[in-house]
Amino acid sequence: DIVLTQSPASLAVSLGQRATISCRASQSVSISTYSYMHWYQQKPGQPPKLLIKYASNLESGVPARFSGSGSGTDFTLDIHPVEEEDTATYYCQHSWEIPYTFGGGTKLEIK
Amino acid sequence: QVTLKESGPGILQPSQTLSLTCSFSGFSLSTAGMGVNWIRQPSGKGLEWLAHIYWDDDKHYNPSLKSRLTISKDTSRNQVFLKISSVDTADTATYYCARTVITTWYFDVWGAGTTVTVSS
Repeated sequence: DIVLTQSPASLAVSLGQRATISCRASQSVSISTYSYMHWYQQKPGQPPKLLIKYASNLESGVPARFSGSGSGTDFTLDIHPVEEEDTATYYCQHSWEIPYTFGGGTKLEIK
Repeated sequence: QVTLKESGPGILQPSQTLSLTCSFSGFSLSTAGMGVNWIRQPSGKGLEWLAHIYWDDDKHYNPSLKSRLTISKDTSRNQVFLKISSVDTADTATYYCARTVITTWYFDVWGAGTTVTVSS
């Protein structure tokens, strides 16, 4: 199975500043210009919500302050400027092969 | 508008078989490319993909649980089912169903989840 390691496990960012979350895969999940890595946001008591698909493509309706980058084994989710409503846990997920796996999650607190 | 809703028994005893239903609207599993996944999340923990089924009845399972999982669908009723046999306390979790399209490979719409507790 491909192991996704997220860092940090938690972070606190001041309102209006930047939050950066990393996801490292145990093997490459990219081929050509496609990276099979996706990002989700989960607020307490809610299901995950798709934010970013294929590493850098913003899902429809997601605010432009969210962005994703990376390829191969190293990926990043950036949120800038952070808002109060961004308080949540963020997960990366690959779809390179079965089984699909998720990172362990990063809990974001807004100061 | 695409929506999914999970239903299940709430609580069951160890060694029993867990039966879950995902009822959906806004898309059809008779449409080429459409699929439904099951994903679970123990309270306070991370997400685990379990299985998916596609419009053409193609199915895949997480190898770590494959021997215990059975996924099926009723296309006419817009429902997908998941059975997990021989449950134990480690199967206590919130179970989600989520849509996917075979050309996209991500989970674009999720249900609210159903909580399952395995306890004697």
